[in-house]
Amino acid sequence: QKEVEQNSGPLSVPEGAIASLNCTYSDRGSQSFFWYRQYSGKSPELIMSIYSNGDKEDGRFTAQLNKASQYVSLLIRDSQPSDSATYLCAVNGVQAGTALIFGKGTTLSVSS
Amino acid sequence: DAGITQSPRHKVTETGTPVTLRCHQTENHRYMYWYRQDPGHGLRLIHYSYGVKDTDKGEVSDGYSVSRSKTEDFLLTLESATSSQTSVYFCAIREDSSSLETQYFGPGTRLLVL
Repeated sequence: QKEVEQNSGPLSVPEGAIASLNCTYSDRGSQSFFWYRQYSGKSPELIMSIYSNGDKEDGRFTAQLNKASQYVSLLIRDSQPSDSATYLCAVNGVQAGTALIFGKGTTLSVSS
Repeated sequence: DAGITQSPRHKVTETGTPVTLRCHQTENHRYMYWYRQDPGHGLRLIHYSYGVKDTDKGEVSDGYSVSRSKTEDFLLTLESATSSQTSVYFCAIREDSSSLETQYFGPGTRLLVL
C-alpha cells in the first residue's frame, strides 16, 4: 500500500515566523511531488511542485525534496494569518494514469 | 482557474436513491479524476478517466460508477446512496502539457445522505 504521511498538527506559529511542514512517502518510484493548500470549506489549491532533489523556491514558499530519505518538506517564510489552512502533501503514483496519493494534511495556524 | 465546474454544489438525498454528480471542464484535458474527502482519511481516489469511454477504478470505487461520453464531462453516479457516502466530492483534471502530472481541482460537491 503506497502511503504518504504527514503530521496532522495543528502546527501553530506566530506571524512572521517560518512554518515547516513535513511529509514522507513510501514508494521509491515516485517522481513528482506536490503541496496543496486547502482553506476550510474550499478545494485544494496547488502551491508548489517539485521533482528534483534539493530546494525549489517560489516567493515565500520553499519546497525541499530528498528522494534518498523519501522526504518532502514545505517552508513558509514570514508566515501570515492568511497562511492558516490545511496543507496537503501529494505524490504521484508510479503507473501511468494513476492519480496522486495524498497525505491527510497538516493544519497550520498563524497567530497575529 | 483550470476551468472546472461541478454540479450540484450541495445535495441532500435519502438512502437508496440514485445520485449523479457532474464535472465539466473547458480545456479538453484527457485525464479526469473523482476523489472523496472525509475527516481522518484525506483525499481518496474513486475513479479516473484517461479519455472518452476510458475509465478505471480507484482506491474506494465500491458503490460508485462513472461515465465519460464527452471529453468535457465526467459523471459520477451513486447507484443507491448510503450514509457512508456522505462526503465532499472533488473532481480534478491533469494538465496534459505537464510532465509532473499536475492536477487541479474543481470547487467540490457536498453530499449528505440521510
